[in-house]
Parts: sequence; C-alpha cells; structure tokens
Amino acid sequence: AQSVTQLDSHVSVSEGTPVLLRCNYSSSYSPSLFWYVQHPNKGLQLLLKYTSAATLVKGINGFEAEFKKSETSFHLTKPSAHMSDAAEYFCVVSDRYGGATNKLIFGTGTLLAVQP
Amino acid sequence: NAGVTQTPKFQVLKTGQSMTLQCAQDMNHNSMYWYRQDPGMGLRLIYYSASEGTTDKGEVPNGYNVSRLNKREFSLRLESAAPSQTSVYFCASSVEGTGGPMNTEAFFGQGTRLTVV
Repeated sequence: AQSVTQLDSHVSVSEGTPVLLRCNYSSSYSPSLFWYVQHPNKGLQLLLKYTSAATLVKGINGFEAEFKKSETSFHLTKPSAHMSDAAEYFCVVSDRYGGATNKLIFGTGTLLAVQP
Repeated sequence: NAGVTQTPKFQVLKTGQSMTLQCAQDMNHNSMYWYRQDPGMGLRLIYYSASEGTTDKGEVPNGYNVSRLNKREFSLRLESAAPSQTSVYFCASSVEGTGGPMNTEAFFGQGTRLTVV
C-alpha cells in the first residue's frame, strides 16, 4: 500500500521569503505524485504533478517540486512567498487500490501562513 | 464548462435522518470519487467508481452508500446520519478508469459542509 507523510502541519513564512513544504511518500512501484492547494472554504486545485517524466516539476503560481526517488521525497518550493499563497497544501500519491483501480491518497495537509 | 458540481453546499441534519449528496461532472470522465475532509486528517476516500455501473469501497465506507447513476452522476447517501459524519464532503472525477496509477488531474467540486446534530 502507498502512503504519504507531510512533515509539517503548519508553516509560517514572511512575504518575499522562500517556501518549503515537505512531503515523503512510500510506494511499492513508480508512483504518480501531486500537490493540491485549498484556499479557505474552497475546493481543491491542482498545483503540479509528477508522472515519471522530468523529476523537477513546475506548477502554477511559481511553485515547483522535485521528485527524489532515493529520498522518497516530493517537496514543494517557491522562491518568494506572496500573501495570496496562504492556504492549505496537500501532497497526494496515486494508488492502485485493491489491485483494481487507481485512487488518490492524501497527506494530512500543511497550513501555510504568510506574514506581511 | 461547469466541471464538478455538488449539491447542496450546506446541510444540517438531525441524528438518524437520511439524505443524499448529489454530484455531477460534465467532462466525460470515467472515474468518480467521494471524499470526506476532517481537520488534521486530510481527505479520506469513502467510495469510488471506476466506471459507469461499478462502485467500490474506499478507506471509510461505513454508514454510506453510493450510486453511479450514469457516467455523469455519482451520489452519496447517508441512511441514518450520526454526529461522527459531520464533515466536509468532496466529490471528484478523473479521466482514468481501471488500470495503472493515475496520471492526470482529479477535478474536485466545491464541497458540501454537513453538520449532524
């Protein structure tokens, strides 16, 4: 079975400073990995995805993530935080549930606060 | 293009009441999912449907039933609501059906905030 661990439940940064949201996964085969963002009282939006192509993946709003198989990590970064980045972020791995079909396994989320 | 539409957006139920959450997608996707979101627990899969006419249990199916009415619609029913089912419910869809890991985006509805008192 696959799983994903988000190492920080809360991260606080100052506007204009770098963002690092950490994610580790376990997988019995080559996974697909995703980062989703959820703004308050909103649905979820895909930020970026890794599906066995380039290991450095660029997403929307200046975010990127690097797939490191040796470290089983898929950390999300952004060089310079903006106030509008304040949201909850979910690291997600796809899983062939029960050997039959795919589904998404969510981490518990990281709440990003951006201070002015 | 509406994407994934959930109704209702908010609902308050009394313990023991029943209700159905509706979900429809207009993207011709094969797979549809119901998740619940609780603080500090991320999203947990309740049921999913890999294709029209098939449904399977996810991580937390107890107390719920689903119907894949057609390719567009996937409903979630609470037969006898309990306070433990107070949560935010999300419906999602993706283009993949059965097969390997998901490679494309899952699209989510805006959520249904359910309170059981």
